[in-house]
Amino acid sequence: GESVGLHLPTLSVQEGDNSIINCAYSNSASDYFIWYKQESGKGPQFIIDIRSNMDKRQGQRVTVLLNKTVKHLSLQIAATQPGDSAVYFCAEMMSNNAGNMLTFGGGTRLMVKP
Amino acid sequence: DGGITQSPKYLFRKEGQNVTLSCEQNLNHDAMYWYRQDPGQGLRLIYYSQIVNDFQKGDIAEGYSVSREKKESFPLTVTSAQKNPTAFYLCASSDTFYGYTFGSGTRLTVV
Repeated sequence: GESVGLHLPTLSVQEGDNSIINCAYSNSASDYFIWYKQESGKGPQFIIDIRSNMDKRQGQRVTVLLNKTVKHLSLQIAATQPGDSAVYFCAEMMSNNAGNMLTFGGGTRLMVKP
Repeated sequence: DGGITQSPKYLFRKEGQNVTLSCEQNLNHDAMYWYRQDPGQGLRLIYYSQIVNDFQKGDIAEGYSVSREKKESFPLTVTSAQKNPTAFYLCASSDTFYGYTFGSGTRLTVV
């Protein structure tokens, strides 16, 4: 699989606890935000998204919160499981002349301890 | 099932060789993208294409080339000009209003 992310910030949680992963985005004009999960050696997978006209969106065991005032996005995972161990990326979408482009954050590694 | 397919999963390149990574999608997406990911790093954009027969350089295009002759296909060539090509390469596609669908990646190693 892929090498361990030596430079990624790491969040370590106990199985069953809730996890909160934070992300600061850069452009106040961004109007669409996505969280991706990337397991070792695989491509990123969509988890949940939110548009800028919302503050909160819930999925199955996951919640995304958007604070536009401070340009902050968070992903909350309830009852974290070993299968949640992965790198999590936030992404913001900004429209430009070439169309809609995603800008990705640097990622956070989540490690779940049994 | 609709999806995006990258091949090969692992690729070995000798120094000075050009190699081509394949990316095919049947999602009917107009836009396609290539990213490079190094260990412990995020995603860096190499090239993108918003429509057939058109593509644009991303942040790290030097040493790479692409073509977009068909909507379904966006191959990436890693040329000998790319001095440090060992990395994990990800292809993605999207439509206008939603996020990207990623392929499973190609790990390229220089031997």
